[in-house]
Amino acid sequence: DQQVKQNSPSLSVQEGRISILNCDYTNSMFDYFLWYKKYPAEGPTFLISISSIKDKNEDGRFTVFLNKSAKHLSLHIVPSQPGDSAVYFCAASDDNNDMRFGAGTRLTVKP
Amino acid sequence: DTGVSQDPRHKITKRGQNVTFRCDPISEHNRLYWYRQTLGQGPEFLTYFQNEAQLEKSRLLSDRFSAERPKGSFSTLEIQRTEQGDSAMYLCASSPRQGRYGYTFGSGTRLTVV
Repeated sequence: DQQVKQNSPSLSVQEGRISILNCDYTNSMFDYFLWYKKYPAEGPTFLISISSIKDKNEDGRFTVFLNKSAKHLSLHIVPSQPGDSAVYFCAASDDNNDMRFGAGTRLTVKP
Repeated sequence: DTGVSQDPRHKITKRGQNVTFRCDPISEHNRLYWYRQTLGQGPEFLTYFQNEAQLEKSRLLSDRFSAERPKGSFSTLEIQRTEQGDSAMYLCASSPRQGRYGYTFGSGTRLTVV
């Protein structure tokens, strides 16, 4: 059951521009949302998170937006850098802390 | 090394053989998770432990799969009578408390069943 969906398998942007990665979820019990970044041959690494009581969380170049009514969240990276090229996973958890992941979006930032 | 360690990094096995993977979590983390990731998919939850207690198992975890975490430290994941469909990356993660601050993942064990 795909409770977390990332409908864009890939995204390519120019260095310095904004990258916007999208994620949709179906389970209204999810109350905590995270983004992970994964390089080849490594495990996913935690990037940024947001609680359902907020609609925005910012950390440097990374901002996550949450629209609970639409069950949608997005990750904005600005300005994008070539080192940001990786696979980004959206994840969501409920109060049982079961985390569900999307299929990932491969971001390529071109110099 | 304060990260999550997984061993081996790669395993190639013949169909029908048993395999065992090990995960050493961050020492102060009391929660440990196993996930499986296949090509083009995100990590899929398999099971998790709080200390030595296995609290939840996914439907993905068939009877051929067993996980243990003796003494609440390292964990092992065993797959018996491997099938080609078991080929995947097996990821271990750990977290403190409720883990609402993000898991720390290991680099994974890539299993290939031939």
